[in-house]
Amino acid sequence: EAGVAQSPRYKIIEKRQSVAFWCNPISGHATLYWYQQILGQGPKLLIQFQNNGVVDDSQLPKDRFSAERLKGVDSTLKIQPAKLEDSAVYLCASNIGGKNTEAFFGQGTRLTVV
Amino acid sequence: AQSVTQLDSHVSVSEGTPVLLRCNYSSSYSPSLFWYVQHPNKGLQLLLKYTSAATLVKGINGFEAEFKKSETSFHLTKPSAHMSDAAEYFCVVRGQAGTALIFGKGTTLSVSS
Repeated sequence: EAGVAQSPRYKIIEKRQSVAFWCNPISGHATLYWYQQILGQGPKLLIQFQNNGVVDDSQLPKDRFSAERLKGVDSTLKIQPAKLEDSAVYLCASNIGGKNTEAFFGQGTRLTVV
Repeated sequence: AQSVTQLDSHVSVSEGTPVLLRCNYSSSYSPSLFWYVQHPNKGLQLLLKYTSAATLVKGINGFEAEFKKSETSFHLTKPSAHMSDAAEYFCVVRGQAGTALIFGKGTTLSVSS
């Protein structure tokens, strides 16, 4: 079974530039999450999709971050404009659904804003 | 609201000695609880999960955890540490079906020879 695919693995940009991350979840997984993991901290949820609808985006900084999952499969997370404090690893995860089911994580995209 | 508190930010053990990583949870609902491990430059991997079927849960690589409702704890243990166990460990909670996983801040496990 193929895992969660993310690209790129690494990205370095200057502050005020824009950047986009891509995620392809495990086939058949209706739920998709984006997490932000700042160095030395646990992952923090940015947004949760169920199919192509948003379930929870309460912690997404909507003035600069946006995400979409148009066809209910792959997803894109965008930051525009980036700030220094956005430097982090962005993790995508998917889940088949159900309270007791675990989420499967991709390798993440390490973003450095200089 | 749901949350987890990992009581130690860093634990150091010698190879062959027991491992104990402590986690307390808070949940308005009967929780599902998970432990994930993250090796350097690797993705998050599930170690084990508690789903109310049994209070003592066995996971991969010899790890296990015990759910104690009276203490709101879900501590992770292993009888004998191996060098390859050195990594970051996260305690995770989900309160309601359909909601996201909430992560603790993590515990760094160091294993010396």
